[in-house]
Amino acid sequence: DAKTTQPTSMDCAEGRAANLPCNHSTISGNEYVYWYRQIHSQGPQYIIHGLKNNETNEMASLIITEDRKSSTLILPHATLRDTAVYYCIVRRGGTSYGKLTFGQGTILTVHP
Amino acid sequence: GAVVSQHPSWVICKSGTSVKIECRSLDFQATTMFWYRQFPKQSLMLMATSNEGSKATYEQGVEKDKFLINHASLTLSTLTVTSAHPEDSSFYICSARDTSGYEQYFGPGTRLTVT
Repeated sequence: DAKTTQPTSMDCAEGRAANLPCNHSTISGNEYVYWYRQIHSQGPQYIIHGLKNNETNEMASLIITEDRKSSTLILPHATLRDTAVYYCIVRRGGTSYGKLTFGQGTILTVHP
Repeated sequence: GAVVSQHPSWVICKSGTSVKIECRSLDFQATTMFWYRQFPKQSLMLMATSNEGSKATYEQGVEKDKFLINHASLTLSTLTVTSAHPEDSSFYICSARDTSGYEQYFGPGTRLTVT
């Protein structure tokens, strides 16, 4: 599975949009982009995933560039409870789904 | 969303004893379950993958005789840490993949402290 690169940490003001970038320049055609987050001392929580089209759900939006080499997770109105480590993961899809391999992620701190 | 539970949520044991951690998928069937370990201030590290009814596949560097995994049913997997030592103290997290394969759900984790 392709490797991802994320900034170590980011800050965001409460109520503003949080835009978390992820670079996955070696992504293959059958690999999906997944986002999970982990709040302190809890298990990871699924946020969203996509292949090549932009995706939106009740938690966030995922913007994938046309060449698929990078993506951005957008939390439209960040709250203090969104403070967490956010992981961008590239995972093989299709008939044989790949493992979820976690990198270091981005520590997002939402401040008042 | 689908729920994965773990029991116990935390456990303290003496060095040399064995500890069993249970992972259950509460409202879906999981043909594949995963076990991760996380040390303080580090990311999750995959330990092993288990498929229901077959032997687990361990990641490189993980001792299969020390970390025994049993996936006897579509809703239950267990991890037994045998002859635990203080360096095994960690946060153990299980994960279950539903039959579609798309999504993978994580349990809340088990904090193991070996004294």
